[in-house]
Amino acid sequence: GQQVMQIPQYQHVQEGEDFTTYCNSSTTLSNIQWYKQRPGGHPVFLIQLVKSGEVKKQKRLTFQFGEAKKNSSLHITATQTTDVGTYFCAGPLNDYKLSFGAGTTVTVRA
Amino acid sequence: GAGVSQSPRYKVAKRGQDVALRCDPISGHVSLFWYQQALGQGPEFLTYFQNEAQLDKSGLPSDRFFAERPEGSVSTLKIQRTQQEDSAVYLCASSRAVAGGLRTYNEQFFGPGTRLTVL
Repeated sequence: GQQVMQIPQYQHVQEGEDFTTYCNSSTTLSNIQWYKQRPGGHPVFLIQLVKSGEVKKQKRLTFQFGEAKKNSSLHITATQTTDVGTYFCAGPLNDYKLSFGAGTTVTVRA
Repeated sequence: GAGVSQSPRYKVAKRGQDVALRCDPISGHVSLFWYQQALGQGPEFLTYFQNEAQLDKSGLPSDRFFAERPEGSVSTLKIQRTQQEDSAVYLCASSRAVAGGLRTYNEQFFGPGTRLTVL
């Protein structure tokens, strides 16, 4: 079945720097969702992308869906300590079931 | 408004004990999901309910796992004869969407999870 793979697994960032995390699927996705899980917390929905080539921004976060709808990226600019956590992408396996990636865990050096 | 709640937040069980984990979804949410999350991994699908109907239980690891949602609101995940490999965080999520439309805005709202430790 379809799996989503995320790279890198860990991202250590200096405060103020930018970074990008990537999500890749072996099959074409109808949509992709991104979630953030703070340390000790639970996943919180960030965004859903549906259209080929779609780009959405949330303040310092920029989400992109690939033209072929097989990959996605999350770019964070000017990283802050509030960005600490694990970012998951999730692709649908069917009408309701999501396949989550293993996540990118972000730590920030002040 | 109230989010998804789960209880207990932490559960320690001796191997062989039965446990019951409760999930209170957001009122009015049709869809309810249970996930298992191992340390350092993403949530893994266990089962899906649409109202009171369990439409998919393909992710349940064994027949020791059982889930129900008898009145279409509160759900319970029961694990019989717990084993050490059952130790994980069990997450419940609900969604107002009804399955049947991949284009539907089907954001899932997660509860805080129950951390199960089997000794």
